[in-house]
Amino acid sequence: GAVVSQHPSWVICKSGTSVKIECRSLDFQATTMFWYRQFPKQSLMLMATSNEGSKATYEQGVEKDKFLINHASLTLSTLTVTSAHPEDSSFYICSANSDREWGEQYFGPGTRLTVT
Amino acid sequence: GQNIDQPTEMTATEGAIVQINCTYQTSGFNGLFWYQQHAGEAPTFLSYNVLDGLEEKGRFSSFLSRSKGYSYLLLKELQMKDSASYLCAVRDGDYKLSFGAGTTVTVRA
Repeated sequence: GAVVSQHPSWVICKSGTSVKIECRSLDFQATTMFWYRQFPKQSLMLMATSNEGSKATYEQGVEKDKFLINHASLTLSTLTVTSAHPEDSSFYICSANSDREWGEQYFGPGTRLTVT
Repeated sequence: GQNIDQPTEMTATEGAIVQINCTYQTSGFNGLFWYQQHAGEAPTFLSYNVLDGLEEKGRFSSFLSRSKGYSYLLLKELQMKDSASYLCAVRDGDYKLSFGAGTTVTVRA
């Protein structure tokens, strides 16, 4: 089956610094990838839709200047959390649509970000 | 937007059956998904319904009624490893998924 990887799996950074998270589709090409955020004991909240070769589409309430998304190739999307603050600490998960007819999303293993 | 409701927690005994209900109100509907998520891990796909009726997949089955905005996930012959959070997700016409808050299922021996 399709595999989506994320790197790093966890990261700790200081307040005010920036962190980049990579999302890769390992054995398929993904023209569209999605970025989610999940706070403890809450559900996944879609942050943005990442489209290869074009600008990302952000959900309402998500700051596009703070969460920079780059989808430079059909197998790689990156999320950069700029000027991170403790309230940005969360579980960030990416996904990509499968090529099956019903197109379920394959999820990466997630990245645990802790901002101190 | 989407409004998706599912119970917060459920507890069942090993070998038993548990049914997790999900109701939704949507501005667009292009399929309903169920995912399993263990703590600290990403969700894994369980089932997909786009037409009314029951989809059976081994120990897991999922049902959909579009007119009622209702789905359920049925877990049979529960095993300890089934203890996890189960997420109901509705997809809209733009292929975006909206998730419910998840139902934590605890399987007891």
